[in-house]
Amino acid sequence: SQKIEQNSEALNIQEGKTATLTCNYTNYSPAYLQWYRQDPGRGPVFLLLIRENEKEKRKERLKVTFDTTLKQSLFHITASQPADSATYLCALDYGGSQGNLIFGKGTKLSVKP
Amino acid sequence: DAGITQSPRYKITETGRQVTLMCHQTWSHSYMFWYRQDLGHGLRLIYYSAAADITDKGEVPDGYVVSRSKTENFPLTLESATRSQTSVYFCASSESAGGNHEQYFGPGTRLTVT
Repeated sequence: SQKIEQNSEALNIQEGKTATLTCNYTNYSPAYLQWYRQDPGRGPVFLLLIRENEKEKRKERLKVTFDTTLKQSLFHITASQPADSATYLCALDYGGSQGNLIFGKGTKLSVKP
Repeated sequence: DAGITQSPRYKITETGRQVTLMCHQTWSHSYMFWYRQDLGHGLRLIYYSAAADITDKGEVPDGYVVSRSKTENFPLTLESATRSQTSVYFCASSESAGGNHEQYFGPGTRLTVT
């Protein structure tokens, strides 16, 4: 069965540093990978989508990479701020037409001032 | 207001009771989803719908029933609530199928079954 792992439950970094979150998957080859942000008591909010034929995608201070050989995505936040503190979820598509995603358990990022 | 809303936001019910969680979206998105989120499990898909009157099971459908008579509404019913269904439930919508479309999530319903 499909398996997706975000290999850090929590990540603590200092303000101004780059946060790097990891998402690994096994047993299948997704065509798309998405990252979401979730604040306490709220629903996830979409951040970025990257396709299997894209190595890297950027949006402001965010950067996502997608390595289909390693079966891994890295999510970077540069010049991190306390407001970036949240849980970040990666999600992969099953493939096919159903539009279904499988989500990782998330990494809780804390940025200390 | 435009967007996706869920009601109630908080619900406490007793074992064996029927409870319905409501979801409403104003974008006319074709796809709608119900997830539950539990510590240690992340988000798990319960049911999804590709259009009005078209629904299908997700990863954890047992004990739940859905319907979609109108595009904008996707209620989730727990026919006989159990303690294991204590969770936070999220509704989401998406304009089309496939992983190349983002999902828009509601604020969630925190359900406690006593």
